[in-house]
Amino acid sequence: DSGVTQTPKHLITATGQRVTLRCSPRSGDLSVYWYQQSLDQGLQFLIQYYNGEERAKGNILERFSAQQFPDLHSELNLSSLELGDSALYFCASSLGRSDTQYFGPGTRLTVL
Amino acid sequence: KNEVEQSPQNLTAQEGEFITINCSYSVGISALHWLQQHPGGGIVSLFMLSSGKKKHGRLIATINIQEKHSSLHITASHPRDSAVYICAVKGDLGGGADGLTFGKGTHLIIQP
Repeated sequence: DSGVTQTPKHLITATGQRVTLRCSPRSGDLSVYWYQQSLDQGLQFLIQYYNGEERAKGNILERFSAQQFPDLHSELNLSSLELGDSALYFCASSLGRSDTQYFGPGTRLTVL
Repeated sequence: KNEVEQSPQNLTAQEGEFITINCSYSVGISALHWLQQHPGGGIVSLFMLSSGKKKHGRLIATINIQEKHSSLHITASHPRDSAVYICAVKGDLGGGADGLTFGKGTHLIIQP
């Protein structure tokens, strides 16, 4: 158990819908990262937050957004969902920039 | 943009064999991670390296910064080592981007 929690574990929804994925980092970790794992693209970095502020963006679509709250939990919002958004979404956390990233169990999103 | 290449893509070996998985990357990095992903999907961080060598139990990871190459070794392999092993790098960009760039993974099967 990495100490990072993600909810929900599974999510099934329809095209055009909007969903919110939630992540609670390990106690004390200030950095939160979101990653997407799909069959065709593999693992890709989406976005990073550090102590409430957006730090870096990777391959995140404009339909996706995220935020980190004062209690350091983070949410990833996916809107206007398409079939191709079906993937495993992982959250990871680390204490600081140079520290090991600990991965949550992931949320499996299926868009029908 | 950093490219991360892993080899082999697939590896099947007998229990007890010495396993080596290789990872090469194209530009300077600040750290390299080795991750393990089991069939259930969860990702575990095995090592984070910026130089030299690290050992944990039967696992050894090495990195050669000048040659932009890292290896993961498993000694006395066991069927429970069967998993996908993923190499990931964090760029030395200095701009605060700490998200990882991932290789496609090595699918390892250890047969009894």
